[in-house]
Amino acid sequence: SAVISQKPSRDICQRGTSLTIQCQVDSQVTMMFWYRQQPGQSLTLIATANQGSEATYESGFVIDKFPISRPNLTFSTLTVSNMSPEDSSIYLCSARDWVETQYFGPGTRLLVL
Amino acid sequence: QKEVEQNSGPLSVPEGAIASLNCTYSDRVSQSFFWYRQYSGKSPELIMSIYSNGDKEDGRFTAQLNKASQYVSLLIRDSQPSDSATYLCAVNQGNNDMRFGAGTRLTVKP
Repeated sequence: SAVISQKPSRDICQRGTSLTIQCQVDSQVTMMFWYRQQPGQSLTLIATANQGSEATYESGFVIDKFPISRPNLTFSTLTVSNMSPEDSSIYLCSARDWVETQYFGPGTRLLVL
Repeated sequence: QKEVEQNSGPLSVPEGAIASLNCTYSDRVSQSFFWYRQYSGKSPELIMSIYSNGDKEDGRFTAQLNKASQYVSLLIRDSQPSDSATYLCAVNQGNNDMRFGAGTRLTVKP
């Protein structure tokens, strides 16, 4: 199984600023993803992080707001840009291994004031 | 639209009972199926995977798959209060398209 870590675990940010969340996997994985989840709500996929190329975004999410990098098979970052209170959520990094099993990181709790 | 559907619950069972969680999916070509447990304030944790029709048992958990009916379920025997969580069904629909259900909230009452 893949073990995923995220930094920071939580943050409180001011409106208009940006936050970059880091995701590290302890083994090489095929795919990495970023999700958002409001407390008590279901998972919402933001994008698939592609190694060495632009991420693939889901409907409603754009690169200018959520730039994503994936420089290698074990690391990815998600930036939440020009934040507003509506961006307050839990952001989850996820990775899929070579047998198509998907794992989740512990999440980053973001509060935007 | 390809979807994974679960009863949102809440499902409440007494301690020691069997909890039955159900999931249906719309894409017939789906080949792999997963159950995740998510405690409040925590991230989803994989608890079972199933790929073939029939039952797969792991301790108190049994996953059941019926591809003809496009139905996958999770049974929890001898339910414990510590099993109280939201259970997410996930279906790999092929082409690396993993879809998650909205989850069923389970409460096990002492």
